[in-house]
Amino acid sequence: QAGLTQPPSVSKGLRQTATLTCTGNSNNVGNQGAAWLQQHQGHPPKLLSYRNNNRPSGISARLSASRSGNTASLTISGLQPEDEADYYCSAWDSSLSAWVFGGGTKLTVL
Amino acid sequence: QVQLVQSGAEVKKSGSSVKVSCKASGGTFSSYTINWVRQAPGQGLEWMGRIIPFSGIVNYTQKFQGRVTITADESTSTAYMELSSLRSEDTAMYYCARDSGSYPLEYWGQGTLVNVSS
Repeated sequence: QAGLTQPPSVSKGLRQTATLTCTGNSNNVGNQGAAWLQQHQGHPPKLLSYRNNNRPSGISARLSASRSGNTASLTISGLQPEDEADYYCSAWDSSLSAWVFGGGTKLTVL
Repeated sequence: QVQLVQSGAEVKKSGSSVKVSCKASGGTFSSYTINWVRQAPGQGLEWMGRIIPFSGIVNYTQKFQGRVTITADESTSTAYMELSSLRSEDTAMYYCARDSGSYPLEYWGQGTLVNVSS
């Protein structure tokens, strides 16, 4: 099953801005946009955004999602210690009729 | 307030089956898709399949076709995921995740650890 591509790790300093990327193809990210999820160790994932910057209630405005072609991005500004987590992108793949996930990016806040 | 509560951890032998439950409260159970996602130790997320309770329509990812069965009981607002012919590689945390009217994968259960031993 084809998955989405994410960098394994990103490190940024406190109060800096991190941009996480997620590359798919025209059947998934390019067609449907991406969802972004955050997962802290030992906890279930939490939905942060879906498609173009649509955020569920309670999700911080420091998070901003966008898409350009087959690549989706999640930008987190003013990094805080609690932002340190694993971040996954996901998209519905119309050719597979399945949700596909990226391998995840571990964000470290220095 | 939507809440998904999953059944407890399981220890299974290779070749056996496991059935994990996901009981929903809050909101209308039948209207929203329930997905099953698993995560092997130290690994990423993997979508297994989904069910739309009111229609009974199910989709499975190709990898699990023939081994996974997802069902839903509207009378108890509970979804089930049964995985058969278990092998050690199936050792993972299994999550149910429900869509909302606005977002996919918005609500998550706490996870059920399935440990498969030979």
